[in-house]
Order: sequence, then structure tokens, then C-alpha cells
Amino acid sequence: GQNIDQPTEMTATEGAIVQINCTYQTSGFNGLFWYQQHAGEAPTFLSYNVLDGLEEKGRFSSFLSRSKGYSYLLLKELQMKDSASYLCAAMDSNYQLIWGAGTKLIIKP
Amino acid sequence: DADVTQTPRNRITKTGKRIMLECSQTKGHDRMYWYRQDPGLGLRLIYYSFDVKDINKGEISDGYSVSRQAQAKFSLSLESAIPNQTALYFCATSDGGDAEKLFFGSGTQLSVL
Repeated sequence: GQNIDQPTEMTATEGAIVQINCTYQTSGFNGLFWYQQHAGEAPTFLSYNVLDGLEEKGRFSSFLSRSKGYSYLLLKELQMKDSASYLCAAMDSNYQLIWGAGTKLIIKP
Repeated sequence: DADVTQTPRNRITKTGKRIMLECSQTKGHDRMYWYRQDPGLGLRLIYYSFDVKDINKGEISDGYSVSRQAQAKFSLSLESAIPNQTALYFCATSDGGDAEKLFFGSGTQLSVL
């Protein structure tokens, strides 16, 4: 079956770095997405990886290893506003998105 | 103004009632989607539409129906609501590009008593 695994919750300190991991098993693969969702709000797009390697976008970076079925989202210089859930989603061979349950990130001062 | 607008934002209804959730968009996207989100679970696709004459079932379409009235409007109906349809419902759009980036509405919190 198709599956996405990511930690349920993580805690980090303001100003620090945190890495949120995601492993996926899909029938075929057409890319890996990360979305940010603040409590009670809509998910918003953060990043898309389809090739192996690291994509950097400001304080956020996303990494993909297709051979390992693994991705991570790296958040640097954490700010209180980064407290949110981070959703990992993989696109299968039918271009359908398979979503993880999300990682709730708690930032402490 | 929001690019993807969902109404209502919150709705409480009773078991057996028919209810419609509406979604409209000003992004000019052809593709529209309905998802539901439950605590501890990933987003699950209910229905999607790639243009006005195209409607497709998603992972969990049973108990739901949709109507694509225009490129900009995509509504979701629960013909006879049941308590396990209590969830947060999101409408989303995309332009179908390589990245298939989704733009979500603000969501409708539905409670079925």
C-alpha cells in the first residue's frame, strides 16, 4: 500500500535549527511536497522536490532521496511564527497526492 | 480578497440532513479539489475536477457528491449527513503545472450531531 510517515510532534527553541523527516512508499513517484498549516488555517505550499538533492528557499530547505524514499524539511533561525503543522505529501504514478498526517512543530522561547 | 473562498466557515447540522459546501475561486485555475482533514490523519481526497465537464471520485467519495457549476465554482454535497462526516473540509485549486501546487481555501468546519 501507499504510505507516508512523519513524526507526530517536535519541539525546538527559537533561533535554533530543526529537521522534520518524512519517509514515503508510493506506487511510482512524481514528486514530494511540503506544506505549512497554522492551527485553524489552510495549508500553504512550501516546497516541491522531484530530483535528488537539496532545494533552498530562504530559511527553509527541503531534501529528497528517491532511492531511500526519504525527504526532510530543514528550518533555520526558528521564529515563533514557525509554530505550525508541516505536511509531507508524495505524488504517485497517477499524479495523486498521498498525504502524511503532519508534524506539529512547537517553538519555545 | 481570498483567491479561494469557501462558505460557510462553520456549520452544525443534524444526522440525515442534506448539506452543501460551496467553493469559488478567482485564480482562473481549471483544476479543483475537495479534501477532508481529520485529527491524526492526512488530507483525504473526496472528489476532483479538471474542467467543467470532468468529475472524478477520490479516495473517499462514498456519501458525497459534487457539482462543477462553472470554472470558478465547485460545490460539495452531503446527501444525508452522518456523524463520521464531522471534519474540516478544504477546497483547493491548481493550474496543473509540473509542480501541481495546490491553493487551499480557508476550510469549512462541519459538525454532524
